[in-house]
Amino acid sequence: QVRLQESGPGLVKPSQTLSLICTVSGGSISSGAYYWTWIRQHPGKGLEWIGCIHNSGTTYYNPSLKSRLTISVDTSKNHFSLKVTSVTAADTAVYYCARLVEPTRDFDIWGQGTMVTVSS
Amino acid sequence: QTVVTQEPSLTVSPGGTVTLTCASSTGAVTIANYPTWFQQKPGQAPRTLTYSSINKHSWTPARFSGSLLGGKTALTLSGVQPEDEADYYCLLYYGGAWFFGGGTKLTVL
Repeated sequence: QVRLQESGPGLVKPSQTLSLICTVSGGSISSGAYYWTWIRQHPGKGLEWIGCIHNSGTTYYNPSLKSRLTISVDTSKNHFSLKVTSVTAADTAVYYCARLVEPTRDFDIWGQGTMVTVSS
Repeated sequence: QTVVTQEPSLTVSPGGTVTLTCASSTGAVTIANYPTWFQQKPGQAPRTLTYSSINKHSWTPARFSGSLLGGKTALTLSGVQPEDEADYYCLLYYGGAWFFGGGTKLTVL
């Protein structure tokens, strides 16, 4: 059974880069037709799609965040990562990783989420 | 930027039926938008209830059903149970990007 687990610093200073990793266990990140996805949720608020990366390496980003985002895959470590540059307090959120299955476009597996606070 | 709109809150009695809807600022929601519904309970990650409008997961109770209704996507709960009290989010796909609705807080009272 495939599982996803987010990891990374819980506290990031303003203007710095937020870096998170989502480790895939129970299966290979390279197999199948999947989009590996990041989603976040501001405290007490709704969900926001951040972006995703396909097994082929193609990336898609939220237009409102695109200039600050990088999503990449490391097949040797069976994980994918998220980098958000120039963070502000508005980037404080719970960050989730999820798997999107093609062609059904089903977000079938989610990580438990990790809280990231941007503060000096 | 696409804006996706849901009812902020709804209340339903146990055993009743309620329909949550999700509309898009760009026009009618269609199957091409791969409408998806999620349930989220406090302190938990969201979980998918329905995807591509009508498809369910093995863990989705039979009382939940997704549909397209009057240009919107809808999630209907028939025979509501107390454990259905949660936040519900819809998600729509537009040309390489996904947009969440603001969520509906469902109270079972």
